[in-house]
Amino acid sequence: AQKITQTQPGMFVQEKEAVTLDCTYDTSDPSYGLFWYKQPSSGEMIFLIYQGSYDQQNATEGRYSLNFQKARKSANLVISASQLGDSAMYFCASPHKGGADGLTFGKGTHLIIQP
Amino acid sequence: EPEVTQTPSHQVTQMGQEVILRCVPISNHLYFYWYRQILGQKVEFLVSFYNNEISEKSEIFDDQFSVERPDGSNFTLKIRSTKLEDSAMYFCASSEGQGAASTDTQYFGPGTRLTVL
Repeated sequence: AQKITQTQPGMFVQEKEAVTLDCTYDTSDPSYGLFWYKQPSSGEMIFLIYQGSYDQQNATEGRYSLNFQKARKSANLVISASQLGDSAMYFCASPHKGGADGLTFGKGTHLIIQP
Repeated sequence: EPEVTQTPSHQVTQMGQEVILRCVPISNHLYFYWYRQILGQKVEFLVSFYNNEISEKSEIFDDQFSVERPDGSNFTLKIRSTKLEDSAMYFCASSEGQGAASTDTQYFGPGTRLTVL
């Protein structure tokens, strides 16, 4: 995608609640992938989940799932039963030319889970 | 589980000095990348590398920067004559490069925090 938009700079959520992090993208490529990464305060970038544009079903990976709405060009990350350890920055990203090229990242959402 | 490693974790240098950041990608991966993240900002793509040559580079990756795969395991980013604005976290990433390119997951190293004084 040429542009990734994350409109929530910060979110506070109560522990054990579900949380949805928004991501919209802009692309002219017919085939593309969307990725979510987690960046805890320690700084590393951790791959969470991937959604392909031609995938028939929304991706799921443990407590993470993607609410992929292709017509709306959105790929929101849903975290179920949030935990204190989920507190981190979350980035949505996509290869900017659809291929094995550099990822375009959104600005991220800072998620804070409150006990 | 295989992972991308980076050294050093933190590098402090004087403005105008050259620095080399090192990365060991996951062993069977074919694509390698460098990104940077200025403090508090989003991650920015610098360069991708495949088959011993640059595959793509961003406008950030000017003549000040160079990459090299000096042996079968290391992947380096050299910054010549560092500037204050080069202070950032630098991430190396690698991907398998198999199958459909758009599905190729990039796995990131822990990063090198570069501070230019």
